[in-house]
Amino acid sequence: RKEVEQDPGPFNVPEGATVAFNCTYSNSASQSFFWYRQDCRKEPKLLMSVYSSGNEDGRFTAQLNRASQYISLLIRDSKLSDSATYLCVVKPGNFNKFYFGSGTKLNVKP
Amino acid sequence: DTGVSQDPRHKITKRGQNVTFRCDPISEHNRLYWYRQTLGQGPEFLTYFQNEAQLEKSRLLSDRFSAERPKGSFSTLEIQRTEQGDSAMYLCASSLGAGGAFFGPGTRLTVL
Repeated sequence: RKEVEQDPGPFNVPEGATVAFNCTYSNSASQSFFWYRQDCRKEPKLLMSVYSSGNEDGRFTAQLNRASQYISLLIRDSKLSDSATYLCVVKPGNFNKFYFGSGTKLNVKP
Repeated sequence: DTGVSQDPRHKITKRGQNVTFRCDPISEHNRLYWYRQTLGQGPEFLTYFQNEAQLEKSRLLSDRFSAERPKGSFSTLEIQRTEQGDSAMYLCASSLGAGGAFFGPGTRLTVL
């Protein structure tokens, strides 16, 4: 079983739409959670950390449900520039590594 | 630019040759990671350094792979006797404390 599971998509949405991605993680000892964005043939870039109480950064809202072991990312008012692959990342407290999902591809169309 | 840098950005080699990649982390970051990524997959963990100590190494890493971080600054990843299955993007990342890691641009390896 993979440590982090994501729907690969693609999610094809029009500009201005709201889109949400979920991911699930298997290790209940996970303590740190992140969303990364990766453009084609580029390195992953940290988008935001995910906190237990949920957090927002502009058009992006991240939420964590520890009981169900899933993390979500909501993007409001999608822009063409949001087109990318979004990677869900968890870091168990007792491990020195980040576990990445395979990513969810988002295509925002004009 | 004070981000993570990697060199070279691209490497083409023939099967059986040795290759070495370099990573310069963000200067105040004490944690350094090497990951490997193939098309359509998320990055896979290879190894982790805290300062100069290599504290964790993936079982994915065969004996042909070795990494060092002398003096806790830059790091090198060497692959000996390369195989076609080693073709991938090799990513280096660094972090400080419990925050997220910041990645370099990667070294794209092609083994012919």
